[in-house]
Amino acid sequence: SSELTQDPAVSVALGQTVRITCQGDSLRNYYASWYQQKPGQAPILVLYGKNKRPSGLPDRFSGSTSGGTASLTLTGAQAEDEADYYCNSRDSSGNHLVFGGGTKLTVL
Amino acid sequence: QVQLQQWGAGLLKPSETLSLTCAVYGESFSGYSWSWIRQPPAKGLEWIGEISLSGSPNYNPSLKSRVTISLDTSKKQFSLRLSSVTAADTAVYYCARTDTAMDPYFFDYWGQGTLVTVSS
Repeated sequence: SSELTQDPAVSVALGQTVRITCQGDSLRNYYASWYQQKPGQAPILVLYGKNKRPSGLPDRFSGSTSGGTASLTLTGAQAEDEADYYCNSRDSSGNHLVFGGGTKLTVL
Repeated sequence: QVQLQQWGAGLLKPSETLSLTCAVYGESFSGYSWSWIRQPPAKGLEWIGEISLSGSPNYNPSLKSRVTISLDTSKKQFSLRLSSVTAADTAVYYCARTDTAMDPYFFDYWGQGTLVTVSS
C-alpha cells in the first residue's frame, strides 16, 4: 500500500466542482504535485508546489494543503477532465518520492 | 520545447535484465534530475528512481537491489537497468524530467512510455 492515500473513484456533474484528496503524514511537511492521466497516454503535470500550474493549464485546477491532506480542486468540471489523477510527494522518511494510488474521476 | 524519447526491449524472459534509454531534446541536460517511473497494467504509478549530474542516484527502496540508473551527458541520455526481472515487473515504463527547483521535486516532462512484458 502507498504512503499516500487517495480515494479510488470520484464523480462530478458537468460544470460542478469536485475535490480530489491525497492523505499522508509526509504532507504535513511537503507539498504534493498532481498528474492527470488519460487512457493510453503518459501522465501530465497539472499542479505543483503551493498551488502552481504549468503554463497552459486551465485555471479551473487549483491545489491546497491542510495538515496531512493535499487537495486538487476542479472548479467547473469539463468532459475532457475525465481521467485518472495521481498525487506525488516525499515518503515518510523524506528521502524518496512516492505516488498515491490514483483517483479515477468521472464527469457525469 | 522539451521532448523525451525512450526506447528499449519490450519482451523479456524471467531473470533477464531490463534495459531502457531516454534521450532529451530541446533543453539543457543540467539543472534537473532525470527519473524513471513505471505503471503495471491497470495499476497506479510507481517511482523507480532518479539521477542528477551532481549527485548520487536515488532509488525506490523496494527496487534498490536491482536498479541502476545512469547518465550519458555527451548524448543527453539517461538509462534504466533492472536486473532479475519477473512477471511482477511487467509494466509501462516512463522516463521523466524532474524539476528540482523546489522540494519536493516534480515531473514536468514525460516520455511516451515503453511497455515491457516479462514472460517465459
